[in-house]
Amino acid sequence: AQSVTQLGSHVSVSEGALVLLRCNYSSSVPPYLFWYVQYPNQGLQLLLKYTTGATLVKGINGFEAEFKKSETSFHLTKPSAHMSDAAEYFCAVSDYTGANSKLTFGKGITLSVRP
Amino acid sequence: NAGVMQNPRHLVRRRGQEARLRCSPMKGHSHVYWYRQLPEEGLKFMVYLQKENIIDESGMPKERFSAEFPKEGPSILRIQQVVRGDSAAYFCASSPSGMNTEAFFGQGTRLTVV
Repeated sequence: AQSVTQLGSHVSVSEGALVLLRCNYSSSVPPYLFWYVQYPNQGLQLLLKYTTGATLVKGINGFEAEFKKSETSFHLTKPSAHMSDAAEYFCAVSDYTGANSKLTFGKGITLSVRP
Repeated sequence: NAGVMQNPRHLVRRRGQEARLRCSPMKGHSHVYWYRQLPEEGLKFMVYLQKENIIDESGMPKERFSAEFPKEGPSILRIQQVVRGDSAAYFCASSPSGMNTEAFFGQGTRLTVV
């Protein structure tokens, strides 16, 4: 079985500050890892994903994440927060076999950005 | 190419009524997933369907909930005899070949049971 842990439910940063959202996963097979963003009353939008290859993955809106197998982590970072980054962020894991694959989500982290 | 379309966006039902949620996947996508989001929680997997087949329904409550994805038309998530605890946001996602690739989510249906 797969699982995702996102510690804490809320992160607050100042505009221009570093954003770091943590994600740890558990998977019995090499995982595919995803970060999604959800704005209020909207669906989920894919920020970035790791499948194979380079462990540092760049996504949209200046976000990036690094897959660290030894730490079973896939933390999301952005060097400089913008007010428009305020949203809820979900980390998710999927097995790579393709057969009956589905996403397992963490509980999400709400990011607030202070002026 | 239109995205995943869900309707209605908001649905209010009285306890005991039926709720029908519809999802039209993106063009060319034959894999559909339904997720439920309860307040203060992440998304919980409910069911995975391909055309005319239920592939994985391990997340579906045993009673009152059913899903289908017919050969023609949208996927339907049906909740019979709704209760207050069914109030949640229900999201549909579609992908071309399973969720190890990119899945696209709809904007969700927010069900309120009064």
